[in-house]
Amino acid sequence: RKEVEQDPGPFNVPEGATVAFNCTYSNSASQSFFWYRQDCRKEPKLLMSVYSSGNEDGRFTAQLNRASQYISLLIRDSKLSDSATYLCVVDSGGYQKVTFGIGTKLQVIP
Amino acid sequence: GAGVSQSPSNKVTEKGKDVELRCDPISGHTALYWYRQSLGQGLEFLIYFQGNSAPDKSGLPSDRFSAERTGGSVSTLTIQRTQQEDSAVYLCASSLEASGQYFGPGTRLTVT
Repeated sequence: RKEVEQDPGPFNVPEGATVAFNCTYSNSASQSFFWYRQDCRKEPKLLMSVYSSGNEDGRFTAQLNRASQYISLLIRDSKLSDSATYLCVVDSGGYQKVTFGIGTKLQVIP
Repeated sequence: GAGVSQSPSNKVTEKGKDVELRCDPISGHTALYWYRQSLGQGLEFLIYFQGNSAPDKSGLPSDRFSAERTGGSVSTLTIQRTQQEDSAVYLCASSLEASGQYFGPGTRLTVT
């Protein structure tokens, strides 16, 4: 089993739709979780951290389910500018073991 | 403030030549990472520096790859005797401990 697994997509959704991505991780000792966004031919940019209690930033909501070992990202009212690849990142802490998922590609269609 | 910077932004080299890629992390960030990404692929971890600790070199694909970080700041990734399969975008990131990483714009390496 891969350490971090994501559905590569692509997810094609109409403008205004709500879309959710999940990311599963295998190391139950993982401590920190993040979502990144990567535009085509650009570097990844930190989108948001994922906290145990869940957190929201505008149209974006991130949640962590430790029991089932997955994190999720929900995007409401999708915009064309949300089109990108969304990377799940899991940090197992200690002497640092940060693992990036392969990313889920989102295409928002007019 | 200034983000992570990398140089050069593009590098074209002939097979067999050595190349050096530079990364200037965000000031005060103790952790520094190198990754590479081939077109349409995910990030491949190469090496990680944390403070004065010995680096985690577990991701380096061969002994042609090496990296150093001087004075806990600037880092250089060196690829000796480059091969065509080394062609990729090399990304550097820095972070404070247990926080998210901030990436530089990358160096696009093309080996001809």
